Amino acid sequence: KNEVEQSPQNLTAQEGEFITINCSYSVGISALHWLQQHPGGGIVSLFMLSSGKKKHGRLIATINIQEKHSSLHITASHPRDSAVYICAVKPAAGNKLTFGGGTRVLVKP
Amino acid sequence: NAGVTQTPKFQVLKTGQSMTLQCAQDMNHEYMSWYRQDPGMGLRLIHYSVGAGITDQGEVPNGYNVSRSTTEDFPLRLLSAAPSQTSVYFCASSYKSIGYGYTFGSGTRLTVV
Repeated sequence: KNEVEQSPQNLTAQEGEFITINCSYSVGISALHWLQQHPGGGIVSLFMLSSGKKKHGRLIATINIQEKHSSLHITASHPRDSAVYICAVKPAAGNKLTFGGGTRVLVKP
Repeated sequence: NAGVTQTPKFQVLKTGQSMTLQCAQDMNHEYMSWYRQDPGMGLRLIHYSVGAGITDQGEVPNGYNVSRSTTEDFPLRLLSAAPSQTSVYFCASSYKSIGYGYTFGSGTRLTVV
């Protein structure tokens, strides 16, 4: 079993729909990161969370430390949100990130 | 602009050739790391460094060498390229302290034929 599991693996939505991506992990962490990667592109850090909730534009990230679970929400989705979204956790000790397998999101106009 | 600079962006090698992928950051980050990204595998850690003169192995270190002679630079060396090393390589850096995020380079797409 991977230490970081994401669901779903693939998601297709119509423009304007609300999207939720889930991330579950099995180790103690100091922080959880949500990353975005456009096709053929680099990796951009969206959020770093250690508790609670963060919002940036149409993106909202939440984390529940007790349940070892995080969600990334995209409100009013747009075709430019089409990308792979990756969850990564930083362990309680050390700097090494462990990555989930990613969720491929396609938003159709 | 501050960030992580990776070169080259694309490279084709013949089996057995050697090369160095360059990674440089200008944010005074202590922590630097190399990942490879393969279809269906996600990102996997190759080597990492927590400061100049200190390096350690990650999840998939075989066939790769690193060194960290300065805070800014963290080159990844392929000693004898193999087709199994065909991948996209990303360098990332961060402050060592908790509470800081990671900055990723734009990636190097390597093909070994």
